[in-house]
Amino acid sequence: DQQVKQNSPSLSVQEGRISILNCDYTNSMFDYFLWYKKYPAEGPTFLISISSIKDKNEDGRFTVFLNKSAKHLSLHIVPSQPGDSAVYFCAASPRTPLVFGKGTRLSVIA
Amino acid sequence: ETGVTQSPTHLIKTRGQQVTLRCSSQSGHNTVSWYQQALGQGPQFIFQYYREEENGRGNFPPRFSGLQFPNYSSELNVNALELDDSALYLCASSLVGLAGGRDTQYFGPGTRLTVL
Repeated sequence: DQQVKQNSPSLSVQEGRISILNCDYTNSMFDYFLWYKKYPAEGPTFLISISSIKDKNEDGRFTVFLNKSAKHLSLHIVPSQPGDSAVYFCAASPRTPLVFGKGTRLSVIA
Repeated sequence: ETGVTQSPTHLIKTRGQQVTLRCSSQSGHNTVSWYQQALGQGPQFIFQYYREEENGRGNFPPRFSGLQFPNYSSELNVNALELDDSALYLCASSLVGLAGGRDTQYFGPGTRLTVL
């Protein structure tokens, strides 16, 4: 039973436009959520996180939105750049461990 | 500040052999977690070590074992290797305070294990 789901395996976006990556979770005990970016042959790189007491967190071009009632979060990247092309993982935590989705491959086209 | 490092980068073993993977945590971090990432999947939690003690374990058999050393570096040992153990093994370090709190985990580059 997958507790964290990223239903879009891939997403293509034009450079300069907004990228929206989605994530759904099923476990009500999750109260901390993170996004990681992964390039080939590298480990996941932490991008941004959000606690369940918030519904939005921004860091530069990256914004994460959390809708607790829908058990849904999304990552917005504005504007998208070719260097953003990578696999993005959503992760959730009640504390330990992190539970990951399967990832969404983002391709930003110049 | 040094990041998380792992060795070796790649490893090829045959079924039934044993393997040891190593991880050096980010300076200042006291907790190490290990994950297995199979092709096309997200990382799956194996176990976590805090202050040299196992502090949580995922759904992995006992032939997966680990150690954490006083300098917070860590080893993952896998005995009796099976073909399905072929995966990317990721180590992540974090700082967990006395009161607990959130541990944003920072990952190393991983070790790619192939079992033939």
